[in-house]
Amino acid sequence: GEDVEQSLFLSVREGDSSVINCTYTDSSSTYLYWYKQEPGAGLQLLTYIFSNMDMKQDQRLTVLLNKKDKHLSLRIADTQTGDSAIYFCAEGIMNRDDKIIFGKGTRLHILP
Amino acid sequence: EPEVTQTPSHQVTQMGQEVILRCVPISNHLYFYWYRQILGQKVEFLVSFYNNEISEKSEIFDDQFSVERPDGSNFTLKIRSTKLEDSAMYFCASSSPQETQYFGPGTRLLVL
Repeated sequence: GEDVEQSLFLSVREGDSSVINCTYTDSSSTYLYWYKQEPGAGLQLLTYIFSNMDMKQDQRLTVLLNKKDKHLSLRIADTQTGDSAIYFCAEGIMNRDDKIIFGKGTRLHILP
Repeated sequence: EPEVTQTPSHQVTQMGQEVILRCVPISNHLYFYWYRQILGQKVEFLVSFYNNEISEKSEIFDDQFSVERPDGSNFTLKIRSTKLEDSAMYFCASSSPQETQYFGPGTRLLVL
């Protein structure tokens, strides 16, 4: 069945790069997403990538997709204290009303 | 920028009571969704709704749950007789065809 796996915790020093990894199982997924959730807040769509792309860059964010290995990563350059949050990897088909499948989320902790 | 809104932001209810969670999707969207997130866990799909009927529902979405689009703007989730395990954050989302889903800020439901 559909499943998305990601590590639960990541600690990074302020100013360093953060890399959050994710694997997914559904090869029919056409979109892979990264959502950010700050404490007590809703889901903020950070970025998404089409499954026929290898990489997408958006300012400090770089998404890499290895479709063969079903591996997705999110790199945050120059990590700031404001980046402290839970990051959810998710997959979907974006075909009519298809649901989005979320991972359990990676809690990013920023060290001073 | 248009956004999905949800009311109330927080709801506390007694076990066995009925609750209605409300959502106003983005105005030109056609597909509507409810997800839930139990504290500390992943975001789970509950139901999708299109053309005034349920398109897909998960195992979680049992007979205690119902959805409705009572007018042209609101989309509601009703839990008929709440249980302790219904305590969670409930997210509404909406989308246009072939576009990503936009999530609301969530309603935190606490069942006592």
